[in-house]
Formats: sequence, C-alpha cells, structure tokens
Amino acid sequence: GESVGLHLPTLSVQEGDNSIINCAYSNSASDYFIWYKQESGKGPQFIIDIRSNMDKRQGQRVTVLLNKTVKHLSLQIAATQPGDSAVYFCAENIGVGGSQGNLIFGKGTKLSVKP
Amino acid sequence: DGGITQSPKYLFRKEGQNVTLSCEQNLNHDAMYWYRQDPGQGLRLIYYSQIVNDFQKGDIAEGYSVSREKKESFPLTVTSAQKNPTAFYLCASSILSGDNSPLHFGNGTRLTVT
Repeated sequence: GESVGLHLPTLSVQEGDNSIINCAYSNSASDYFIWYKQESGKGPQFIIDIRSNMDKRQGQRVTVLLNKTVKHLSLQIAATQPGDSAVYFCAENIGVGGSQGNLIFGKGTKLSVKP
Repeated sequence: DGGITQSPKYLFRKEGQNVTLSCEQNLNHDAMYWYRQDPGQGLRLIYYSQIVNDFQKGDIAEGYSVSREKKESFPLTVTSAQKNPTAFYLCASSILSGDNSPLHFGNGTRLTVT
C-alpha cells in the first residue's frame, strides 16, 4: 500500500491570488520560527523568520503570522506568481543561545500556481 | 558570492561501500549541519558541529560519521552500517550568536545505493 508520508498537503492557487500556508507546531517552548521554500532538486531557501515575542512580521510579498495560543504559524504570499510554486516548510527551534541543534521541520506543503 | 557547496549533486554506490559527501561553505559560519530528506518527509538532523574539532549527534546519527577539521568543511560519511542510505542529503550552516539565526542550505546530494 501507499505510505501516507509520501503525499504532501497541496495548495493550488490561481496566479495573482493570495496564498496562505499553515503550520501547526508542537512545542510551546519554541521561541523562533522559520519558513523555507524548496524547489525541486534544490536545497531549502530561507524566506522569513519570526521570534516568539512577535505575532506578525512582513517581508517582500510575504507575511508570517504567529499564534502562540493555538501553536499555529502561517505564511501569506501576496499576488502569487508561477515562480512561487515549490514546497514550503515551517521550522521551530527550542534551542537556546543560537543553537540550531533543536530545529524541528514540518513535512511541508506543496504550492502549485496555475497560470 | 558566498554560499554552501555540496558535491557531487548525484552519487551512486553499491551496497556495502562507504561513501563521503562533501560540504564546503565560505560564509564564515561557525555552525554546520547535515540533514537527511526522504520523499514527503521533513528534514531530519544527522550531525551538527558548532566549532572546529567538535560535533554532536542529531536524531538519526547511526550509520553516519562526520569530521570538522576546518571551519569551512564538514564532510559526511555514509557507512555500510546505515540500513537505508538512499536519500537526499542536505548540508547547512549558520552563525552562532545570542539570538537565533536561520540555516543556509546547500543544494543537496542525492545518494542512491543499490
């Protein structure tokens, strides 16, 4: 039979629409969160990060929202373009003092942009 | 241009052979990491190093070994003891400071063992 783990959640959007990718994190002690974009055959590329003392951070065309009450993180992409098609990962860090040894990655969401 | 270079991009080996994956960075980062990625899975940490001549096991270190003789280099050896070595291997680096900082990744090495 098929392994559930092989099938990523998929979000399909029309070019020009806004995209919202969600992530539930596991540890209430996590103090730093990162979103990565991974194109096929490449390494993850940093998009935006947010610390636990913030609930919103904006970048160029992207916004990250953090809801610590329900341990939820979201990535909003404005005016989605075909080049945004990729797998998006969230990551949480419960390390202290800059240690990244405790970075935990989600399984990812595949974003497909229809022209 | 600063960055992380992983080589080779594709690697094929016979079962029972050890194989070493290269990772070099010119970002002057203190910390380096090796992750393994399987289809539809999140990244899993194999080993990491925060300083030259020192490294720590990650969540799935069994069957792997590393060295950190130079700040710029963090090679990963996949030994014959690794039961399921076929995967996409990602190297990353980061600065170390009092605050968290993001990892910067290379473009990976896809290892196929038959």
